[in-house]
Amino acid sequence: GENVEQHPSTLSVQEGDSAVIKCTYSDSASNYFPWYKQELGKRPQLIIDIRSNVGEKKDQRIAVTLNKTAKHFSLHITETQPEDSAVYFCASGTSGTYKYIFGTGTRLKVLA
Amino acid sequence: EPEVTQTPSHQVTQMGQEVILRCVPISNHLYFYWYRQILGQKVEFLVSFYNNEISEKSEIFDDQFSVERPDGSNFTLKIRSTKLEDSAMYFCASSEGPPTNTGELFFGEGSRLTVL
Repeated sequence: GENVEQHPSTLSVQEGDSAVIKCTYSDSASNYFPWYKQELGKRPQLIIDIRSNVGEKKDQRIAVTLNKTAKHFSLHITETQPEDSAVYFCASGTSGTYKYIFGTGTRLKVLA
Repeated sequence: EPEVTQTPSHQVTQMGQEVILRCVPISNHLYFYWYRQILGQKVEFLVSFYNNEISEKSEIFDDQFSVERPDGSNFTLKIRSTKLEDSAMYFCASSEGPPTNTGELFFGEGSRLTVL
């Protein structure tokens, strides 16, 4: 069935360093890939998304890359700050469906 | 900024009891969803709802589950006879358009259900 794998499950970085989280999806028809940030006890919130007709998208310190051939997509956070500490979820969506398939999440800790 | 609101924030119930979780989606949104997250695990899709009917549901959403939009503002999830494994955080979400087109999903704060 449809699946999204996400790595690593936990990631600790020093403040100012970069963080990279990787996801792999199984459904080749998937064409929309959002990333959600979930702070402790809070709701998931969209931070960036990418569609399959684009290979890379950037928004300030956050960027997402997509490799359709390999069915990989990645989140890159540069110059990390303590407030970036949260759980990050990747997800995939497919046109004509009404759901996202979420990855298992990455707990990012930014050490001051 | 408009938000999806959910009640209750936490509910404790005995196994076999019925539970209703309530959600008020963002007012101009047309698509509504329930997801759940068992503690420490991924967010899982349960059901989507559009134009007063279910548009898609997962295998988790069996006959014990139902959804309803009883009026113009509320969207509810009912679990008829709760089981221990229903213990989870239940997130309601809404979007203006289809989730993979123009519709960013906005999530509520969640309702934590504990089944004893």
